[in-house]
Amino acid sequence: QKEVEQDPGPLSVPEGAIVSLNCTYSNSAFQYFMWYRQYSRKGPELLMYTYSSGNKEDGRFTAQVDKSSKYISLFIRDSQPSDSATYLCAMNWNSGYALNFGKGTSLLVTP
Amino acid sequence: DGGITQSPKYLFRKEGQNVTLSCEQNLNHDAMYWYRQDPGQGLRLIYYSQIVNDFQKGDIAEGYSVSREKKESFPLTVTSAQKNPTAFYLCASSLQGRYTEAFFGQGTRLTVV
Repeated sequence: QKEVEQDPGPLSVPEGAIVSLNCTYSNSAFQYFMWYRQYSRKGPELLMYTYSSGNKEDGRFTAQVDKSSKYISLFIRDSQPSDSATYLCAMNWNSGYALNFGKGTSLLVTP
Repeated sequence: DGGITQSPKYLFRKEGQNVTLSCEQNLNHDAMYWYRQDPGQGLRLIYYSQIVNDFQKGDIAEGYSVSREKKESFPLTVTSAQKNPTAFYLCASSLQGRYTEAFFGQGTRLTVV
């Protein structure tokens, strides 16, 4: 079993919709959680970084961590065509040497 | 402007050749990483370095080599021993190797011709 699972999609939504992207994980030691956005043929860019459980909001983006369920989410409100990209979740623990990535979810927001 | 620079953006290699991908960062980060990305595979760790003159193998190090002679630079050599080198290669760095977020370069697309 991979440590981080992420549905690859593709996920297609109309402009203005609320998007929910999710990852599950198996390692209960994970404490640091990140979401990256990757446009085609570009490097991933960091969107959100959260530590432990709880919610974090930044503009239209909200990251949510539920450690009891080993489940993290990224919500995008008022989605725009420019949000069309692949979204990667990543996580790590205190002794981890590198981030553990999900495979990414492809999102398409249609006008 | 601080960031991570990868070059070249596109690279073509003939069968049996070694090629070197460049990665430079001016973020004063200690840790640097190389990932390979294939369609449907996500990011797979090739090598990482926590400090100058030290590096460790990741999950798919066979057929690759690295060096870390300077804090700012972490070049990756794809050797002829790598049987399937065509992929998108990403370099990343982080302030510390463990619990801090990583920042990525724009990638190098390597194609074997």
